Amino acid sequence: GAVVSQHPSRVICKSGTSVKIECRSLDFQATTMFWYRQFPKQSLMLMATSNEGSKATYEQGVEKDKFLINHASLTLSTLTVTSAHPEDSSFYICSARVRTGTLYEQYFGPGTRLTVT
Amino acid sequence: AQTVTQSQPEMSVQEAETVTLSCTYDTSESNYYLFWYKQPPSRQMILVIRQEAYKQQNATENRFSVNFQKAAKSFSLKISDSQLGDTAMYFCAFRGGSNYKLTFGKGTLLTVNP
Repeated sequence: GAVVSQHPSRVICKSGTSVKIECRSLDFQATTMFWYRQFPKQSLMLMATSNEGSKATYEQGVEKDKFLINHASLTLSTLTVTSAHPEDSSFYICSARVRTGTLYEQYFGPGTRLTVT
Repeated sequence: AQTVTQSQPEMSVQEAETVTLSCTYDTSESNYYLFWYKQPPSRQMILVIRQEAYKQQNATENRFSVNFQKAAKSFSLKISDSQLGDTAMYFCAFRGGSNYKLTFGKGTLLTVNP
């Protein structure tokens, strides 16, 4: 099946530093990946759509200069949280879009817990 | 814009019994897809079942089935013979026919008791 990995699974960083989260499709190529943010006991909120070889499309209210997304290859998208602050602490989940038969599915990574101190 | 509403923040069921989780949605599109995802304590999102709006037949996957009422814009999930491993947060999600984006409901926390 389609497997999506994320690295790291947990990261703690100091306020003002930047942290990069990787999302990889392990056994398929993904031209489109998605980045979500999930606060405790809340739903997933789409942050941006990452397209291979082009600029990411950000959802309304998401700061593109703070959350840098790069999709340089068909198997890797990265999310960099720049100048992190405690309010950026959250669970970040990526997903990859893959075609299964006549349908497109999203397969999710296991998530990354970011804690900013 | 599409909205997805899950009106049951929490539910509980005894092992081996049946439980139904509710979901309603609002859209002006005629072609769309509906999903139920499971998020266990590990936080890994797992697709449980999907329904294409153009299909009248309700989707089933083993112990999981849906009741899709297109006119009422309702999409409930029935879990039969509940198992302890079914304990998780369940999210209902909508995707338009021409859109890649998923819109999630707020989720229902299901606890299966032994």
